[in-house]
Amino acid sequence: DTAVSQTPKYLVTQMGNDKSIKCEQNLGHDTMYWYKQDSKKFLKIMFSYNNKELIINETVPNRFSPKSPDKAHLNLHINSLELGDSAVYFCASSHGGSGTDTQYFGPGTRLTVL
Amino acid sequence: AQKVTQAQTEISVVEKEDVTLDCVYETRDTTYYLFWYKQPPSGELVFLIRRNSFDEQNEISGRYSWNFQKSTSSFNFTITASQVVDSAVYFCALSEVNDYKLSFGAGTTVTVRA
Repeated sequence: DTAVSQTPKYLVTQMGNDKSIKCEQNLGHDTMYWYKQDSKKFLKIMFSYNNKELIINETVPNRFSPKSPDKAHLNLHINSLELGDSAVYFCASSHGGSGTDTQYFGPGTRLTVL
Repeated sequence: AQKVTQAQTEISVVEKEDVTLDCVYETRDTTYYLFWYKQPPSGELVFLIRRNSFDEQNEISGRYSWNFQKSTSSFNFTITASQVVDSAVYFCALSEVNDYKLSFGAGTTVTVRA
């Protein structure tokens, strides 16, 4: 059973398009996250949600809008895609979010904007 | 602001050699958590270890061992008798209490040659 899953695994699209990435966790965790990994492999937090409430929005452009319909899902919608949005996006979850708990990551979604 | 530094960008070793990855961190908090993750060529992020700031005991798990020293703000990772399957990017990360995110170092790419 996959603990944290993301779809799609690969996403290739044109500049200006709108796209979504879905994330689901079956671990019963309360907190979910989105991270971006750039071409140099640097990982940076984008959003944190605890019990469906937004906790962190780390200076991400408002073209990025996370949505958490329930505790098990955190989707990422991106409007008006730009070349600089090309990256690998990782979803993660943890039991709590206070910094004490281990985050478990999904397999990543490689987004390529042409 | 918290910060994690992995000064080694790349390390290349021959199979069966030992390899040590350095991680130095900065934080103003007295309570914090340190992590190591592995990212193999397949791209997923695999959790290896979590250590809290009050537990300075070294830990060993098979061929992996970790040395945590608060006095030098370091949390180093050693792979003993490396194998080709250890080839990956290894990330050190820090989380402070009540901080809903991981702050990652830049990663160290380990290449183990047969």
